[in-house]
Amino acid sequence: KNEVEQSPQNLTAQEGEFITINCSYSVGISALHWLQQHPGGGIVSLFMLSSGKKKHGRLIATINIQEKHSSLHITASHPRDSAVYICAVRGTGNQFYFGTGTSLTVIP
Amino acid sequence: EAEVAQSPRYKITEKSQAVAFWCDPISGHATLYWYRQILGQGPELLVQFQDESVVDDSQLPKDRFSAERLKGVDSTLKIQPAELGDSAMYLCASSSLNSPLHFGNGTRLTVT
Repeated sequence: KNEVEQSPQNLTAQEGEFITINCSYSVGISALHWLQQHPGGGIVSLFMLSSGKKKHGRLIATINIQEKHSSLHITASHPRDSAVYICAVRGTGNQFYFGTGTSLTVIP
Repeated sequence: EAEVAQSPRYKITEKSQAVAFWCDPISGHATLYWYRQILGQGPELLVQFQDESVVDDSQLPKDRFSAERLKGVDSTLKIQPAELGDSAMYLCASSSLNSPLHFGNGTRLTVT
């Protein structure tokens, strides 16, 4: 049983396209995190959110607590956005549950 | 910006040998996590510390893995003896209440 489900697993886009990655979770949470991992690289935190919407540059993250769903959007995608994007939720016991990630490839 | 420090960056060892990984979390972060990540998968929790106490080690293979955080600051993860199936990326992360999860760069372990 996966507490966090992400879709799609793999995504290929043309440079400039608008991208959406979805995350659904089944546990009670205190916060949801979007993480980015480049090939061979470490994991970087992009967003932490518990309600509403956050924006950072071309990245936008939204969360709907009632529906237990979050989306990560990338506007005007660029090849440097190619990475694995991981959704993680912080449970009420301070533990984290991770999705299996979405592998994004942006083609020039 | 403060970072989570991990060492070594890479480790190659023969099976049945002992290996140890070190992690220094961001100062002030009470919660420290050790994760194992296999290529193409999300991180799998091995052990979670709150200060010096183990909060969750239910997925830690205790016959061969051990972890400690004696003073509630830095932490060591040990494998003895290493097996071929232990080859993976070992990630350390830290957080405090209401802070993002900060990861170190990881230790890539190869067991031959």
